Order: sequence, then C-alpha cells, then structure tokens
Amino acid sequence: SQQGEEDPQALSIQEGENATMNCSYKTSINNLQWYRQNSGRGLVHLILIRSNEREKHSGRLRVTLDTSKKSSSLLITASRAADTASYFCAPRSSNTGKLIFGQGTTLQVKP
Amino acid sequence: DVKVTQSSRYLVKRTGEKVFLECVQDMDHENMFWYRQDPGLGLRLIYFSYDVKMKEKGDIPEGYSVSREKKERFSLILESASTNQTSMYLCASSFSGTGTTEAFFGQGTRLTVV
Repeated sequence: SQQGEEDPQALSIQEGENATMNCSYKTSINNLQWYRQNSGRGLVHLILIRSNEREKHSGRLRVTLDTSKKSSSLLITASRAADTASYFCAPRSSNTGKLIFGQGTTLQVKP
Repeated sequence: DVKVTQSSRYLVKRTGEKVFLECVQDMDHENMFWYRQDPGLGLRLIYFSYDVKMKEKGDIPEGYSVSREKKERFSLILESASTNQTSMYLCASSFSGTGTTEAFFGQGTRLTVV
C-alpha cells in the first residue's frame, strides 16, 4: 500500500504561474519529504518538513503540513520551464522508518 | 557530495536468468532502499534495509531477494527474471533516526527482460 498519494496526477501551467500539488498519507510520520524527478533520471530531494512543523520555505518552494488531516502541499511560485518534472511526496513512517512514494504529479510548465 | 551508484544504467536479460542489481553509497547511511518505477504506478518499495544483514519487505517483494553484507552495498536479486520485471529500478540511501533523513537516489537501472 502506498502512503503518499499526490493530487493532481498531471498539471499544466504557463511560465510565471504558481503550481500547487497536494499529498495525502495514512500513518504517523516523523517527517514528509518532497522529491523531483526529471524524465528517466533518479529522484532529487527538494525539501523536508518535520511532523512538528506547519510550513517551510526554500527559495521558490513552500511546503505546508497538516498532521491532523494527514496532508501536505507543495507550492512552486513563479514557475519556469525548467520546473517541468514529476514531483513526489514521501512520508517517512515513524513506525518503520520507510519512505513510501506515491504516483507523483507530472508538472508541465509551458514557456 | 553524497553519491549513490548503481552498477548499470541499462541492462537486458533473458527470461529465467538470475539478475544482480548492485547499489553502493559512500555516506555511511544506515538505511538503503530498492524501488521499482513503472508508468502510472509511481515508485513502489521492494525491500528496505536498516542495517547490515537486516532487511524488511516492502510492498512488492515477490520474485526478489536482497543482500546487505556490507553497510555501503545493497544488492537486489531477481532469482529467475520474468518479463513482468521489466522496469526502472531505483536504489536510495539515508540516515536513520529522527533527524535529517532525506534519501539520496542513484540514477536508476532500466532493466529489460526478454
């Protein structure tokens, strides 16, 4: 069973617009991480938010976490064509330590 | 820089062959993971190791086994490869504990079983 479920599955926006991706999960977590994957490559870590944090920023990225709703969101502001990629959330289980990924959100940013 | 290295970028094997996928990390990470990635299914965890000689099954362990004899190396074994194991395989590693536990990924091995 996959713990991280992203929504939407696909998103297409114009350059300069903001992109919001959502993630829901099922169990207790230590932290929740977001990753990016360019086509055919490995995943790259973007940002980590701990279970006792509600919001975190890194450059043009903003992540929120609501542990009561077991959900998180990733906002990319002022998107660029180079942001075109797949984005995955990965809750880290506080019980097992495993990182479980969902299907991801495929983001296309049109120039 | 942390480096996670997978032994092959592309691999073609025949049905029934025994296949070894190797992964090496250089950051003294306790945790290592093997995932497979298929279109529409995202990343699915095959096996997880949290220490030398320790392993746990993930969501889809059937048809796979793993070996972790040394901390830096985590091998995925397909005992008898089948065409439905054609996929992209991704290895990752991370520290354990409740601190910074971001995972670092290898570049992936695209395995084709014919």
